[in-house]
Amino acid sequence: AQSVTQLDSHVSVSEGTPVLLRCNYSSSYSPSLFWYVQHPNKGLQLLLKYTSAATLVKGINGFEAEFKKSETSFHLTKPSAHMSDAAEYFCVVRPRLYNFNKFYFGSGTKLNVKP
Amino acid sequence: DVKVTQSSRYLVKRTGEKVFLECVQDMDHENMFWYRQDPGLGLRLIYFSYDVKMKEKGDIPEGYSVSREKKERFSLILESASTNQTSMYLCASSFRGEDFFGQGTRLTVV
Repeated sequence: AQSVTQLDSHVSVSEGTPVLLRCNYSSSYSPSLFWYVQHPNKGLQLLLKYTSAATLVKGINGFEAEFKKSETSFHLTKPSAHMSDAAEYFCVVRPRLYNFNKFYFGSGTKLNVKP
Repeated sequence: DVKVTQSSRYLVKRTGEKVFLECVQDMDHENMFWYRQDPGLGLRLIYFSYDVKMKEKGDIPEGYSVSREKKERFSLILESASTNQTSMYLCASSFRGEDFFGQGTRLTVV
């Protein structure tokens, strides 16, 4: 069975401080993992993806995520938050078994950045 | 740039109406998807299609149907809209692991 758990529904940080958004997954197969960002009234934008190459994945806007198979985690981090990072973030898992691109979304984490 | 276009950003429909949500992609992608997005639930897959005239049920297909007569167009149909179908609907297309989302249609059923 496949599932994605985003451990925090809301995270609040001050501008300039680190960001950590947590994601745990379960998958019967070696998955591909993604982080998407959605700004208010905007569509989903791909931040980064893990597809079995390097376990530390760098994405856009200074975000990165580390795939830890032993912990079944794929946490999203950024060293220094910016006001423009305020948005909702979704962790996504795609089991590689399928030959079509079905994927499973977490319930989302809303990031608030305080000045 | 790949474009996935949903025909409406906002829709208001009455209970019992038949509703069509249209999605068009311009990159000849085979796979297309319809999701609904609700607060605290993330995105849930309604239906997907991996070829013209092919469709598969996702996780929450009840109350919905789809149509894929042409490769570039994937329509979501609410046969008889109900208030619990008030939601944000997102269309996506994908090819070789790259996924592209439309801007979404916020549907309100009154």
